[in-house]
Amino acid sequence: DAGVTQSPTHLIKTRGQHVTLRCSPISGHKSVSWYQQVLGQGPQFIFQYYEKEERGRGNFPDRFSARQFPNYSSELNVNALLLGDSALYLCASSFLQGVPNEQFFGPGTRLTVL
Amino acid sequence: AQRVTQPEKLLSVFKGAPVELKCNYSYSGSPELFWYVQYSRQRLQLLLRHISRESIKGFTADLNKGETSFHLKKPFAQEEDSAMYYCALNPRAGSYQLTFGKGTKLSVIP
Repeated sequence: DAGVTQSPTHLIKTRGQHVTLRCSPISGHKSVSWYQQVLGQGPQFIFQYYEKEERGRGNFPDRFSARQFPNYSSELNVNALLLGDSALYLCASSFLQGVPNEQFFGPGTRLTVL
Repeated sequence: AQRVTQPEKLLSVFKGAPVELKCNYSYSGSPELFWYVQYSRQRLQLLLRHISRESIKGFTADLNKGETSFHLKKPFAQEEDSAMYYCALNPRAGSYQLTFGKGTKLSVIP
């Protein structure tokens, strides 16, 4: 297994555009979480999905949305991009909800908004 | 709301010296605490979690609920320990909605 995979690796957009980021969890993992990591900061929680349902949302505006598909892959969508949305977006997967087990991170998608 | 504070942005130690990376948290409940590490050009990975009470790569961390701290320690630093270290808090076991600190960059000088 290649671990958590994310696409694309890098992305350049202009202000006002829309972007879709994709994440494939480790095979068998049903929980996907999204994080935003701005340069020089730690990752900040955006969303968590489990079994295709939203289980948690961080302090982000409604321009951010996500969904999880029947195969447990996930998309993060950001509308009306702002310069401040430039960041590394991380996806993480874990096996179960409600049971302590490890969360595995992907390599991230680097988004640059010009 | 929960918060994780890592007071040192950068910590430089000599090889063989003891290491302590500080982490303080604020949360009213009983959180899970973690240390994550990111080596150069690698993805973020779990180093250790407080509930397992393991020693990984010689590192240990003890949860001190009275001082709300979860400091990471290693008695003898190695060059391969040079990396970015993040302390993280999970408000409920198994929720996977982590709050991270800003990170501490550990540099081990040969």
